[in-house]
Parts: sequence; C-alpha cells; structure tokens
Amino acid sequence: EPEVTQTPSHQVTQMGQEVILRCVPISNHLYFYWYRQILGQKVEFLVSFYNNEISEKSEIFDDQFSVERPDGSNFTLKIRSTKLEDSAMYFCASRRQIYGYTFGSGTRLTVV
Amino acid sequence: ELKVEQNPLFLSMQEGKNYTIYCNYSTTSDRLYWYRQDPGKSLESLFVLLSNGAVKQEGRLMASLDTKARLSTLHITAAVHDLSATYFCAVGEETSYDKVIFGPGTSLSVIP
Repeated sequence: EPEVTQTPSHQVTQMGQEVILRCVPISNHLYFYWYRQILGQKVEFLVSFYNNEISEKSEIFDDQFSVERPDGSNFTLKIRSTKLEDSAMYFCASRRQIYGYTFGSGTRLTVV
Repeated sequence: ELKVEQNPLFLSMQEGKNYTIYCNYSTTSDRLYWYRQDPGKSLESLFVLLSNGAVKQEGRLMASLDTKARLSTLHITAAVHDLSATYFCAVGEETSYDKVIFGPGTSLSVIP
C-alpha cells in the first residue's frame, strides 16, 4: 500500500537553529499538508499546499515557517529559527480529492 | 470558529463490551474523519463520512454522522485488546477546502 514517508524520524536541534523536515507524499496525490502534535495533545493544522503554492495556513504557521516542493516528489517544512515550543511531532499528509488524508510516520523534533 | 469536542477523553473498558465515543462540533461541516493513533505512531485513517446519515463499518468499529446534530459516533462492538489506542475525530471547516480541525482524542484502553 502506498505510504507517505518522512525523514528524519527524530531530530534534535539547538534553539535558534534552522531545521528542514522532509516528506515524500504518495505519488498521485495532489494536496499536501503539515500538521503537528505537541506531546500528548491534539493534532494541529499548520499548512496546506496545492499546485505549488500554499492554499491555506494556520496562525501557528508564521514567518518562521516555510514549505517547498523543490523537485516534484519531496515536500519540505523549514523552521528558520527554532524555539523550545516548536518541539513536537510533525506529520506530513497527502490526499487526492475529498478522501481521507494519508499521514506519514512523523518526525519528532526536539529543540534544546 | 470550528471547535471539535470528544467524549469521553479516557475510556477503560473490558474485553467483550460495547461502547460509544462521541464527537461534537460547533459549526456546519461537510466532512468528518476518524483516525486511530497508537502510542508514538502515525495517524491511521479509519472512516471518512461525507453526508448526513452516513454509516460505515469496519470490523468491530462503526461510525455514523448526523450533520443536523453536528454529532458523530464511533461505536465499538465486543472490544478486544488490539483496539487499545487513541481515537481522533477530525472535522473539515465548511469554508475551507483544506483545513481540518482535530478533536482532543479519546484514549481507549481495553482490559482483559
């Protein structure tokens, strides 16, 4: 069954450093997303991406965040200057039309 | 602003018993999703409900949607230990094609 793959599975970074989280969505999916889940808490929408541009973003997705689909297969989330409160599990998801999202296995980001 | 609630938040049930998890949401929506998450793992899609009165079943789980009451239920029949996980409902914002708001999750523990 097709999967959304994410790398790395765990990233530790120092506060203020830039991180890039990588995702390879399912190949025939058109819509791409990043969500995050702070440990033990609810899953929060960050951003959606369609047709090579952001279609929607949440209040969390401020100027420190950016997304890119650099080569037609990868989908990346960059955090420019990480803060302690950015520590969370970040999930990439993709979907075709209105159907259910397929989530990746997640990247656990720890900011120290 | 769309708010999604679930109850109960924690549920401990004996094997073989039946129980229902409730998902309420605050504004109209045209799509609702149920996901399962095992500890430290990704979100697994269970059901996509797109219309009033929709009912879907998979194994011991059955989900339904009442858009007039803004309520979805996830019914568990004859629970088994393998169903122990956290269950999230997620509701699509009607004004948004992309944004989905997750409930806080129901942590289910099935005990022998």
